[in-house]
Amino acid sequence: KQEVTQIPAALSVPEGENLVLNCSFTDSAIYNLQWFRQDPGKGLTSLLLIQSSQREQTSGRLNASLDKSSGRSTLYIAASQPGDSATYLCAVNGELGTYKYIFGTGTRLKVLA
Amino acid sequence: DTGVSQNPRHKITKRGQNVTFRCDPISEHNRLYWYRQTLGQGPEFLTYFQNEAQLEKSRLLSDRFSAERPKGSFSTLEIQRTEQGDSAMYLCASSHDKAFFGQGTRLTVV
Repeated sequence: KQEVTQIPAALSVPEGENLVLNCSFTDSAIYNLQWFRQDPGKGLTSLLLIQSSQREQTSGRLNASLDKSSGRSTLYIAASQPGDSATYLCAVNGELGTYKYIFGTGTRLKVLA
Repeated sequence: DTGVSQNPRHKITKRGQNVTFRCDPISEHNRLYWYRQTLGQGPEFLTYFQNEAQLEKSRLLSDRFSAERPKGSFSTLEIQRTEQGDSAMYLCASSHDKAFFGQGTRLTVV
């Protein structure tokens, strides 16, 4: 059974810092991995999608890497801003016709001005 | 691309009542998902459709829950005889490859 773990559970940093959020998963047979952002009381906003054959994806100040064999992904946020404050969730999408996403519990990020 | 739309955004109901939520996916997406999320937790998978076929249901989805996706377009999630434990955010997503989520329906059972 696929399990997804995210550490740390919460993180508070001063504005301008570079930071890394971690995601690990127990079954490396995944189709893709997606990082999401969630603001309080809102739905999820897709940030980056990494296919199982890819090693990383970049969008603006965000960079996500994937090491499928070790069951790990990281989300790197450069030059953090107060507007980055949110919960960041990673989700893996399984192979063999199981297209459901399994989520971690998220990392709550607070960027202090 | 108008995004995934969910209605209503909020629902307060008395215990024992039935409720129905609607999800309108992105039009060209053939996969549609329902998830449930409680405070401080990640979304939990409920069910998944490929076009109009319901391909997988979580064991979380008791007999009181039913979902449909007629004609492979919009989907509805019905909860019968609601219980206080059903209070949560119900999220819908659609995907072709990347998943896009709606804003959710927050259900409060009083």
